[in-house]
Formats: sequence, structure tokens, C-alpha cells
Amino acid sequence: DTEVTQTPKHLVMGMTNKKSLKCEQHMGHRAMYWYKQKAKKPPELMFVYSYEKLSINESVPSRFSPECPNSSLLNLHLHALQPEDSALYLCASSQDPRSDLVNEQFFGPGTRLTVL
Amino acid sequence: AQKITQTQPGMFVQEKEAVTLDCTYDTSDQSYGLFWYKQPSSGEMIFLIYQGSYDEQNATEGRYSLNFQKARKSANLVISASQLGDSAMYFCAMREGGTSGSRLTFGEGTQLTVNP
Repeated sequence: DTEVTQTPKHLVMGMTNKKSLKCEQHMGHRAMYWYKQKAKKPPELMFVYSYEKLSINESVPSRFSPECPNSSLLNLHLHALQPEDSALYLCASSQDPRSDLVNEQFFGPGTRLTVL
Repeated sequence: AQKITQTQPGMFVQEKEAVTLDCTYDTSDQSYGLFWYKQPSSGEMIFLIYQGSYDEQNATEGRYSLNFQKARKSANLVISASQLGDSAMYFCAMREGGTSGSRLTFGEGTQLTVNP
């Protein structure tokens, strides 16, 4: 299994809703990432988990809350979002953050989020 | 200062011809990695090719090759025999640091259109 899956594919939510994005990989990768991508722009890194521990938080507002329950799963909990948070949210994983391998990041198909 | 520069917002190529997408980078690290990703309109980021800073040979993967000129700090992607399915956004990215180092810095991207 060489893919990263993300659910849901599309999500529409109001500013008072609480929702979660889910990401899963079964490649044995030990680093997992959340990115936010606006249209026609490059992905912006939000969070990195390395060996299930949060290693990078790019000063993301607290209305985004990541969680890594185990080495295969990564969640992004959303609460009280703003319309400007509407974007494509991409999850990625890479092999071993402690080694000197190529460690290319494998991306999921993304969740298109619309905040009304 | 921008670390990855892609100077071509849009490129057009005829089917079956070759095309070069430009990428220059800026880093003071001796050890770094350069990546190219393809993003079709569906949204998924697809890893294409990797070049390590110590690799003496230019990387090749099928129809993709990377023209790595270290002294000029450039890592251009060459796509040979373009196909209609190559139409997509292409991102150049850099990972700095000796070991893994999880953070990728992306360029602004080049939108490639392959004409029949």
C-alpha cells in the first residue's frame, strides 16, 4: 500500500461548527504533515509529527488542533474557523525523519474545505 | 529572501516536444535536497524526482530529468516527449539540513499546458 488517504474529500462548515479531517497511511512512515494550500499558491506547512510527537508547529492559530493517535493516523480538528481558512488541506507522510534517506513526502488527495 | 524561485508562472509546449521548467534556490547549507512535484487540477501532489546536493549525476526518472547546476544554484526540470497528461502545476521544493529535516520550502510553481 503506497498511498496516503484523506477523508472527507470535501467539507463545508459554518464558523461555529467543529469538524475533523482524517489522514491515514500504511507505508510505515514515521513523519506526517499537514499543509494548507490556497488556489494557485504553493502548499504552506502547518504541522509536522515525527514519531507521533509534534515536532513543528508553524505558528498555526489554535482553532486548528492536530492529533496523531498512532503512527498511521493523523487528524486535524477544526473549531470556530473563519472564511479565510477555506482552502485545500493536504496531508503527507515520509519515511524516517531521523535518517539521511531521500525521504520524499507522499501526499494525499487533500480535503477541500469551505467555511461559510 | 525567497529560497526557491520559479520564474515562469506559465509555460506552453506542444505535445511530444521537450520542455524545461526553471528553478533556482538559495541556501547556505552544504547538504540539501531538491524535489519536483506535479499537481494536477485534482489537487494531489505527485513526487517526480529528487536531487541530493552531493549527487554528482543528474537525476533521471523516465521522461523526467533534473538539470542540476550546483554552482549556479539551479535545478531545472526537463520533461521529454510531453504528453497531454503532463498539463499541471509543477512545484520545485528544497529540504535543507544534513539529516532528513522535515521542512520543505516550495517555489510559487509553474503552470504547464501541453497543447495537442
